[in-house]
Amino acid sequence: AQSVTQPDIHITVSEGASLELRCNYSYGATPYLFWYVQSPGQGLQLLLKYFSGDTLVQGIKGFEAEFKRSQSSFNLRKPSVHWSDAAEYFCAVGAARGSTLGRLYFGRGTQLTVWP
Amino acid sequence: ETGVTQSPTHLIKTRGQQVTLRCSSQSGHNTVSWYQQALGQGPQFIFQYYREEENGRGNFPPRFSGLQFPNYSSELNVNALELDDSALYLCASSLRSGQAHPYEQYFGPGTRLTVT
Repeated sequence: AQSVTQPDIHITVSEGASLELRCNYSYGATPYLFWYVQSPGQGLQLLLKYFSGDTLVQGIKGFEAEFKRSQSSFNLRKPSVHWSDAAEYFCAVGAARGSTLGRLYFGRGTQLTVWP
Repeated sequence: ETGVTQSPTHLIKTRGQQVTLRCSSQSGHNTVSWYQQALGQGPQFIFQYYREEENGRGNFPPRFSGLQFPNYSSELNVNALELDDSALYLCASSLRSGQAHPYEQYFGPGTRLTVT
């Protein structure tokens, strides 16, 4: 069964510092991978996705993520964090086929706090 | 292009009551998925509707049911509400063509349900 682990519940960084949020997934075949961001009281906004091809994917708001099959990871990075990046970040995996086609499995999220 | 909308924004119900949540999908999308997000958790897949039929269901009891209408909007119904049903309910729409499912799910702002 698919599952996602986000090992860090809460991360605090200073504005301008670099950021890496970790995500590990469990899935038997090539997964579809996503990062979403959720601001307080809001729904989820898609930051970026990986389906196939280049393992380094670029997203919105200056974020990027790298798919590493050997480590079953899809970590999110940003070179310089802005105060407006403070939010909760969710990693998700989807099945490419089979009975669970069409559903996303989410991690429990990483809360990002940005200090001025 | 109209995004995903949900109504109501907030709802307070008493244990044992029934509730209906509504979702309008993004223009051009034909598939709607519903997720439950408990406090401090990632979203959990409830079910998905495609061509007005349930197309995949997560680990939720039958008292969670849904509908999809010809205009692709959707309803989530929950009967016999329990305290643990208190959560943010998220609707996501996507475009599915046959067995191809690109998984770009776009989320609405959610409905916050409180059961007392």
